[in-house]
Amino acid sequence: IAGITQAPTSQILAAGRRMTLRCTQDMRHNAMYWYRQDLGLGLRLIHYSNTAGTTGKGEVPDGYSVSRANTDDFPLTLASAVPSQTSVYFCASRGTENTEAFFGQGTRLTVV
Amino acid sequence: GQNIDQPTEMTATEGAIVQINCTYQTSGFNGLFWYQQHAGEAPTFLSYNVLDGLEEKGRFSSFLSRSKGYSYLLLKELQMKDSASYLCAVVDSNYQLIWGAGTKLIIKP
Repeated sequence: IAGITQAPTSQILAAGRRMTLRCTQDMRHNAMYWYRQDLGLGLRLIHYSNTAGTTGKGEVPDGYSVSRANTDDFPLTLASAVPSQTSVYFCASRGTENTEAFFGQGTRLTVV
Repeated sequence: GQNIDQPTEMTATEGAIVQINCTYQTSGFNGLFWYQQHAGEAPTFLSYNVLDGLEEKGRFSSFLSRSKGYSYLLLKELQMKDSASYLCAVVDSNYQLIWGAGTKLIIKP
């Protein structure tokens, strides 16, 4: 693994199903983030984690949950998917408070 | 509330210069980032400003005025591959990133 990796890269999901998007980084970054990006709305923060063992809610947390059991992994779970969760999801990590964020390649999720 | 404004879309000609503006109103300021995002890809880091002034990096430069809550990204000698969205992000008082909606730059031959 080099950098930050997301899986899957794309998924079509039936409404009502549970889904976990995976995110792993090997840069030993403390902070990790989940964003969704919809046309015209830019990046919106779903959840974040400033360090392993802690998480926080972002701008649009409803319908999503996260965990941060260790430094490397930050999975995002949709408990019961709805069509409005159709979006491109990006995971990102940041080493220190004044350094840039690195992004995964994104997960394109379609809920039907 | 926190707000970052960028133009939605801009058009420029190959070989020319374009300036993309970003104005912000945030709870505190601990730096400003510019990112480039090609269609269907992840954002990638371009520049970081925390002090007033101009930061130059090859064909790209970024300027910051903290007193005016204003930044711009200057792209010189435009190439077709510069067609992308450009995202402005501010680090607020809690060291969280606040993102603008992005500016889609279209380069014409």
